[in-house]
Amino acid sequence: NAGVTQTPKFRVLKTGQSMTLLCAQDMNHEYMYWYRQDPGMGLRLIHYSVGEGTTAKGEVPDGYNVSRLKKQNFLLGLESAAPSQTSVYFCASSPQGLTYEQYFGPGTRLTVT
Amino acid sequence: AQSVTQPDIHITVSEGASLELRCNYSYGATPYLFWYVQSPGQGLQLLLKYFSGDTLVQGIKGFEAEFKRSQSSFNLRKPSVHWSDAAEYFCAVGAHDMRFGAGTRLTVKP
Repeated sequence: NAGVTQTPKFRVLKTGQSMTLLCAQDMNHEYMYWYRQDPGMGLRLIHYSVGEGTTAKGEVPDGYNVSRLKKQNFLLGLESAAPSQTSVYFCASSPQGLTYEQYFGPGTRLTVT
Repeated sequence: AQSVTQPDIHITVSEGASLELRCNYSYGATPYLFWYVQSPGQGLQLLLKYFSGDTLVQGIKGFEAEFKRSQSSFNLRKPSVHWSDAAEYFCAVGAHDMRFGAGTRLTVKP
């Protein structure tokens, strides 16, 4: 099992460009999450999904969109990147049920200039 | 709104010494509580979790944590720290809408 994988690992964007981050999991998990991690702030939830075709906003959703067309994939989009979106992005997944324990990917480091 | 406070940004302990990392939370109901560890350049790994029942929970790598409802705390402990425990530790509370603390960086002195 690869667990949770994220593509790409690194990316540099110019202000105003768009991009999509891909998260894939092979554990048949029902729930998936996108976080951003900034120095001194821990992880903050951007969006999450409780099943294929459903998404919900987290703590910091502005400037991001997500889609979950397949159970194993969760995409995070930036339509018009801003320097404030420079961060490390983590995807996580969690099995169905009331455990809520999350399994994390290795992260994507995004720099917006 | 739920929130997590980790009062210590950075802690240094000697190898073999005991460790306690503090976590205080704010949550409206019975909390789901977690501790995660992050090594440099890596994702987070779950150390342990608390949902209900026994307030002392055991985790991986010899860690344990105690839930104290009266103090709104969920402190992480380890009796004897190893050099490989050097990492950043995050306390978290919640369900789908998980909230993380800002983290405590642990340095282990030889």
